[in-house]
Amino acid sequence: QSALTQPPSASGSPGQSVTISCTGTSSDVGVYNYVSWYQQYPGKAPKLIIYEVSKRPSGVPDRFSGSKSGNTASLTVSGLQADDEADYYCSSYAGGNIYVVFGGGTKLTVL
Amino acid sequence: QVQLQESGPGLVKPSETLSLTCTVSGGSISSYYWSWIRQPPGKGLEWIGYIHTSGSTNYNPSLKSRVTMSVDPSKNQFSLKVTSVTAADTAVYYCARQGGLGATSYWGQGTLVTVSS
Repeated sequence: QSALTQPPSASGSPGQSVTISCTGTSSDVGVYNYVSWYQQYPGKAPKLIIYEVSKRPSGVPDRFSGSKSGNTASLTVSGLQADDEADYYCSSYAGGNIYVVFGGGTKLTVL
Repeated sequence: QVQLQESGPGLVKPSETLSLTCTVSGGSISSYYWSWIRQPPGKGLEWIGYIHTSGSTNYNPSLKSRVTMSVDPSKNQFSLKVTSVTAADTAVYYCARQGGLGATSYWGQGTLVTVSS
């Protein structure tokens, strides 16, 4: 069982927006503004798309946005495109010995 | 552009030691935190631990008793050892560089390690 809870699947049609949730606890997501999101295609390494809750690395389209409320972080993908179809993982800094915890991943399907 | 490449045996026998090395190119290994992360087939990601080029380490408590990491700045490499492996250790192992707290900004391509007799 993963430390952070994500829905196993999400879907949307091209052009629509979809939001993926990531629920943690008051020991990780709820207390630290160090939530990251990764995009992973089959057989490939994950790619960082959001860090520190809502910041985007250089080169990541602004269609990807992140937010947080309480113990739950969210990733929103706007203007869905076919190549957004991938697995998405959240992670959170958890402090001390734990350092980082991951969600179980969400498979995003573009209908 | 920083690039990372994992190397090591793809097959390890149960109860033996898994050993992997990550070679960093396109930048110095110095003054960064370097992690190992694994992903069992069809499953999610698990942070194994990190090492700083100063030699300080931090391991996932669930693996701490079996994990050792080391770094060789002269070769721009860092390494992972996991002892007493079982089938549950079968996974794609990624080496990576940490960016901000908890954020992994650069990843290797990953290497599949299968534990089987």
